[in-house]
Amino acid sequence: KQEVTQIPAALSVPEGENLVLNCSFTDSAIYNLQWFRQDPGKGLTSLLLIQSSQREQTSGRLNASLDKSSGRSTLYIAASQPGDSATYLCAVSRGQAGTALIFGKGTTLSVSS
Amino acid sequence: KAGVTQTPRYLIKTRGQQVTLSCSPISGHRSVSWYQQTPGQGLQFLFEYFSETQRNKGNFPGRFSGRQFSNSRSEMNVSTLELGDSALYLCASSLGSGGGTEAFFGQGTRLTVV
Repeated sequence: KQEVTQIPAALSVPEGENLVLNCSFTDSAIYNLQWFRQDPGKGLTSLLLIQSSQREQTSGRLNASLDKSSGRSTLYIAASQPGDSATYLCAVSRGQAGTALIFGKGTTLSVSS
Repeated sequence: KAGVTQTPRYLIKTRGQQVTLSCSPISGHRSVSWYQQTPGQGLQFLFEYFSETQRNKGNFPGRFSGRQFSNSRSEMNVSTLELGDSALYLCASSLGSGGGTEAFFGQGTRLTVV
């Protein structure tokens, strides 16, 4: 059974700091891994999608890496801003067909000005 | 391009009642998945529909059911509501061809069972 773990559960940093969020999964047979952002009471916003054949993806100040063999992914946020404060979730695709995702519990990030 | 639309945004129901939630996917997307989010369990997969057929199912009781229409819109039904069904219900749409496509989520329906 696939399990996804995110560490740390919460993180507080001052504005401008670079930070890394971690995600690990127990079954390396994934089809893709996706990072999301969720603001309180809202839906999920897709940040980055990494296909199983890829090693990393970048979008603006965000960079996500994937190491399938070790069952790990990291989300790197450069020069953090107060607007980055949110819960960050990683999810792995569950099977060959479809988009059934298995989520971690998330990392809640607070960036202070 | 319109995103994923979920209606209604908020619902309050009484124990024992049933409820139907609706999800309109992004135009051209054929896969719709449903998730339940609670503070204790986090996000849990309910089921996925592709071309009007249930393609994947999570570990939820039979009180939770869904369907998809020919225009890819999907509905989720919960019968005999329990207090523990109070949650944010999210749907996601994707192109659905294979396991490598990006999922886009709606804003969710907040269900409160009293």
